[in-house]
Amino acid sequence: ILNVEQSPQSLHVQEGDSTNFTCSFPSSNFYALHWYRWETAKSPEALFVMTLNGDEKKKGRISATLNTKEGYSYLYIKGSQPEDSATYLCAPNQAGTALIFGKGTTLSVSS
Amino acid sequence: GAVVSQHPSWVICKSGTSVKIECRSLDFQATTMFWYRQFPKQSLMLMATSNEGSKATYEQGVEKDKFLINHASLTLSTLTVTSAHPEDSSFYICSAKFPGALNQPQHFGDGTRLSIL
Repeated sequence: ILNVEQSPQSLHVQEGDSTNFTCSFPSSNFYALHWYRWETAKSPEALFVMTLNGDEKKKGRISATLNTKEGYSYLYIKGSQPEDSATYLCAPNQAGTALIFGKGTTLSVSS
Repeated sequence: GAVVSQHPSWVICKSGTSVKIECRSLDFQATTMFWYRQFPKQSLMLMATSNEGSKATYEQGVEKDKFLINHASLTLSTLTVTSAHPEDSSFYICSAKFPGALNQPQHFGDGTRLSIL
């Protein structure tokens, strides 16, 4: 069973602050790393699927990087807004296996 | 819009009742669907992988006789919690991915909150 760690567990920032959080996972047999955003009372929304070491993906103010050799990914949010408040989940998978989720980082953005 | 529909969203029932949760893929065929469970302050834990036309693959520690999964069509998977007890109270959520490469994202339903009295 993959051991997926996300930190911090929760985070509170002011509107306009930039922030980042970490997802750590075993680097062996790596296939892909998924990031999801999960707002209260909604279904998890896919943000990124990353596969290559050194990958960097961007969606608006949110971006992510991937290091498969050392087994970590960073998610960055630039200029946080209240609507960014959500739990951010990462989930690596090895080839042919299902996603294994971390506990998530819960972000709260105050206006 | 939503690509996966899950129903019901909330169930409250008496101990001993069996509860069926449906997961439907909308406008696409999902040969594989996934069922997760989440306890408070815990991560989404994979329970089983549901394969259309064949038996589900259960994760270690998940009782297959307790959590019956049926994937009878390419757009519907059902999870039945048989003879539910208070310890089965949890949040259950399904997902499906578009057919194709393994690095496609999964699309989630809205989840079902199950409360057993």
